[in-house]
Amino acid sequence: QSALTQPASVSGSPGQSITISCTGTSSDVGNYNYVSWYQQHPGKVPKLMIYDVSNRPSGVSNRFSGAKSGNTASLIISGLQAEDEAEYYCNSYTTSSTWVFGGGTKLTVL
Amino acid sequence: QLQLQESGPGLAKPSETLSLTCTVSGGSINTVSYYWGWIRQPPGKGLEWIGNIYYSGSTNYNPSLKSRVTISIDTPKNQFSLKLSSVTAADTAVYYCARRTMGSSSRDVWGQGTLVTVSS
Repeated sequence: QSALTQPASVSGSPGQSITISCTGTSSDVGNYNYVSWYQQHPGKVPKLMIYDVSNRPSGVSNRFSGAKSGNTASLIISGLQAEDEAEYYCNSYTTSSTWVFGGGTKLTVL
Repeated sequence: QLQLQESGPGLAKPSETLSLTCTVSGGSINTVSYYWGWIRQPPGKGLEWIGNIYYSGSTNYNPSLKSRVTISIDTPKNQFSLKLSSVTAADTAVYYCARRTMGSSSRDVWGQGTLVTVSS
């Protein structure tokens, strides 16, 4: 199985909104609403930010939202804050009953 | 509050078998509600899903690792384990255990991770 495709990096200024894309195929992202997003700060454990495309766990800021269209899922962060600077990974279920991660996107808050 | 903790040797020799255990505390591993899995992250690289196990013992593995991976569960001890055989330097990584909700992509509880280095 191939990794999902994410941009290597995105950036934005405080207060702005950014979108991180996660492109898969009809065998993963396009076939299920089982897409999740994880935030990872350097040296830290990944943290669940979004699950099942657009659901936000308790305690996660409502500045984080998720969406999906076809084979591409998106993580949207509004009102960027310095603390949002981190690596973000998407993850999807596949038709082989396995899971695949994206390569990761480094978010820089300018 | 449920917690996961990885344990095992931090060093493995090439061609040998890497063995790790994840101990679950604050809740039972013997539940229909969750899958228990392993994810790894080589230094400076991204996350890679290794596989998961259900309380019944049913498993799923990453196809690229399937020939070398075994995940098992010990419900009386509230633990699940990972064995990765014939390791090489490419298997050097931080290994995380995590819980995923049944019928969901929510992987909400993770262990702290343990670094395993493959070196002679």
